[in-house]
Amino acid sequence: RKEVEQDPGPFNVPEGATVAFNCTYSNSASQSFFWYRQDCRKEPKLLMSVYSSGNEDGRFTAQLNRASQYISLLIRDSKLSDSATYLCVVNLDTGRRALTFGSGTRLQVQP
Amino acid sequence: DVKVTQSSRYLVKRTGEKVFLECVQDMDHENMFWYRQDPGLGLRLIYFSYDVKMKEKGDIPEGYSVSREKKERFSLILESASTNQTSMYLCASSLQGAVYNEQFFGPGTRLTVL
Repeated sequence: RKEVEQDPGPFNVPEGATVAFNCTYSNSASQSFFWYRQDCRKEPKLLMSVYSSGNEDGRFTAQLNRASQYISLLIRDSKLSDSATYLCVVNLDTGRRALTFGSGTRLQVQP
Repeated sequence: DVKVTQSSRYLVKRTGEKVFLECVQDMDHENMFWYRQDPGLGLRLIYFSYDVKMKEKGDIPEGYSVSREKKERFSLILESASTNQTSMYLCASSLQGAVYNEQFFGPGTRLTVL
């Protein structure tokens, strides 16, 4: 089992749709969670951190479910420019100060 | 603006060659990282460094070494390149702190080993 697991997609959605991705992680002691965005042939960039209480940034909402060990990303009113790969990133708290990246979920928003 | 630069965008080398990948950041970040990214496998950590002359192994250090002689520069070395090291290599940097700070990535080097 992968330590950080994501559905690779692609998720093909029309403009204006709401889409949600989940990501599961293996270590229940994990403390830090993030979503990064990676455009085609570009480097990853931080989209948002995920806090225990959940957080929202415009059309994007991130939530953490510790009991089931997953984080989610919800995108409302999808835009063509949201088309990208979304990377789930977790500190697995293995005693090492480093992050573990999921392999990403690809989103394609269609006109 | 944080800037992380990598010495080459594309590189083609032959099996057995020694390969140097250079990464430079201009934001005085303490932490620097080297990843490789392969389809279906995501980003995998090769090595990281929290300070000058300090390094720690990541998940897949075999066949690689690193050097950090100056704070702004972190080099990845392939001692004897092999075809299974064909990949996209990404360097990143971040501020050190009690919480995990945002990692800023360079544009990547696509390495092909023939």
